[in-house]
Amino acid sequence: SAVISQKPSRDICQRGTSLTIQCQVDSQVTMMFWYRQQPGQSLTLIATANQGSEATYESGFVIDKFPISRPNLTFSTLTVSNMSPEDSSIYLCSAEETGELFFGEGSRLTVL
Amino acid sequence: EDKVVQSPLSLVVHEGDTVTLNCSYEVTNFRSLLWYKQEKKAPTFLFMLTSSGIEKKSGRLSSILDKKELFSILNITATQTGDSAIYLCAVGKTSYDKVIFGPGTSLSVIP
Repeated sequence: SAVISQKPSRDICQRGTSLTIQCQVDSQVTMMFWYRQQPGQSLTLIATANQGSEATYESGFVIDKFPISRPNLTFSTLTVSNMSPEDSSIYLCSAEETGELFFGEGSRLTVL
Repeated sequence: EDKVVQSPLSLVVHEGDTVTLNCSYEVTNFRSLLWYKQEKKAPTFLFMLTSSGIEKKSGRLSSILDKKELFSILNITATQTGDSAIYLCAVGKTSYDKVIFGPGTSLSVIP
């Protein structure tokens, strides 16, 4: 199974700033995904990150707010831009391998 | 609109009890149903189900899928306090290989 490393694991950020979360997979994967989990909620898909093309965003999420990079088959970044307290969440990177979805450890962001 | 529903949303049981968690779905282009356990941050994979009627087992946990009735159950026998977690049901779609999560069932096992 794929092993996914994600950093930072947690951060406290000031309103109006931006933070980039990095996700590294130990094998080449075609599909990588970014999820958000707000307090007490389930996982909501933000976007699908495809290597060599622009990310595909779900309804309610836009590229200006959550720009994503996918420079190769093992790495992706998610930036949370112009943060507000409503962006306080756990952000999870995931990758699909043989039909199973594996997750990184998550990044817990708190915006003050 | 694609939908994954879980019930109950929360459950408190005593150690040794058997629990059944339910998941129903309405999803186009169904490919697979997945169960995860979430204790802290990252969900950990439990089962992937693609065929109806074939039970998957791992220790005290088992799961089965009914593609005709569009639901799955996760059974946990002889529960232990370490089973306390949120159990997430998710459905994988063939289009864009997207995975949609249900709201989760919060299970608390008390001694």
